Amino acid sequence: QQQVKQSPQSLIVQKGGISIINCAYENTAFDYFPWYQQFPGKGPALLIAIRPDVSEKKEGRFTISFNKSAKQFSLHIMDSQPGDSATYFCAASENQFYFGTGTSLTVIP
Amino acid sequence: DAGVIQSPRHEVTEMGQEVTLRCKPISGHDYLFWYRQTMMRGLELLIYFNNNVPIDDSGMPEDRFSAKMPNASFSTLKIQPSEPRDSAVYFCASSPIDSSNTGELFFGEGSRLTVL
Repeated sequence: QQQVKQSPQSLIVQKGGISIINCAYENTAFDYFPWYQQFPGKGPALLIAIRPDVSEKKEGRFTISFNKSAKQFSLHIMDSQPGDSATYFCAASENQFYFGTGTSLTVIP
Repeated sequence: DAGVIQSPRHEVTEMGQEVTLRCKPISGHDYLFWYRQTMMRGLELLIYFNNNVPIDDSGMPEDRFSAKMPNASFSTLKIQPSEPRDSAVYFCASSPIDSSNTGELFFGEGSRLTVL
């Protein structure tokens, strides 16, 4: 059973556009929600993370929006760049991390 | 620090053979995790250790899989006998603190296993 559901599976965005990736969870005990970025041939690396006591966190062009009542959170990439092309994983943590299935983002120049 | 080091980076083997994947975590990290990545299932946690002790191995798919951590700087994931459905990228990750307290996972570059 997938603890964290992620969509879309793939995403193509024009340079300068906004990329949006969504995740949903059921377990209300989750208390930490990170996003990881993975480039081909590399391991995932932490991009940005949020706790459920805030509704939004922004770091540069990357923003997490968190809706506790809906049990959903999303990653927004503003002014998307070709260098952002990668696979993005959302995750939720209680005593261990549960990852979504990933979104392959392609930013077209 | 060099980061999490995994070996081999690529392994091609035939069905029935034993496969051993190796991991050196970041020095000082108390937690070590083994993940498997496939297109269909994404990142799946197989097992994790705290201070060299296995804490949760419920993700280990079958008895064919085993993992050890004989000391703080080395862990192995063994598959015996291997099967084609084991083909995947296996990641090792380490973390300095409990994952429930903003524990960032530091991943290695993975071991890509192909079982023919």
